[in-house]
Amino acid sequence: SQQGEEDPQALSIQEGENATMNCSYKTSINNLQWYRQNSGRGLVHLILIRSNEREKHSGRLRVTLDTSKKSSSLLITASRAADTASYFCATDEGSNYKLTFGKGTLLTVNP
Amino acid sequence: DTGVSQDPRHKITKRGQNVTFRCDPISEHNRLYWYRQTLGQGPEFLTYFQNEAQLEKSRLLSDRFSAERPKGSFSTLEIQRTEQGDSAMYLCASSLGAGVQHFGDGTRLSIL
Repeated sequence: SQQGEEDPQALSIQEGENATMNCSYKTSINNLQWYRQNSGRGLVHLILIRSNEREKHSGRLRVTLDTSKKSSSLLITASRAADTASYFCATDEGSNYKLTFGKGTLLTVNP
Repeated sequence: DTGVSQDPRHKITKRGQNVTFRCDPISEHNRLYWYRQTLGQGPEFLTYFQNEAQLEKSRLLSDRFSAERPKGSFSTLEIQRTEQGDSAMYLCASSLGAGVQHFGDGTRLSIL
């Protein structure tokens, strides 16, 4: 079953703009992760935020986590055409091995 | 540091045939995972190994599916008597303990 639900399903922006994607989940978690997937390729890990953290930064990425609302957001600043990809949130549902992914947000960054 | 390697990248087969996929994890990683991804969906967990032991199998893994990880290194996923519904991308990932899972580029299976 898929726990996370990303919103929006698709997002189209111009290069240089910021992109925000949201993820909601249903059960308790130890951590939440964001992955990127280019068309026809595997998933690339972007960032992990633990359940006791509220915000985390990595380069142009900013992730927030609100465990009371069971939601997370991923902000990509100053987007580039190379950021065009699908973005997935993944939760561990309290396990230490299984990841549960949402359906993803397809981000298109137009040059 | 080479990443997770999967072979083949693409497999086309007729319904009813058996297929086998291989995954070579990152060398020092003791955990190995298999996921399945259909079009427009996120990956779904199938099974995972810690060293050579298969510790968890999803109910998605029917009796036609079998996975092995002999000697705790590479892993194989076999699907017997393939069906149309088996068409998907099969992704392998590995991790060191409960650390970040690193994914391969997957094997895309198409059933004719």
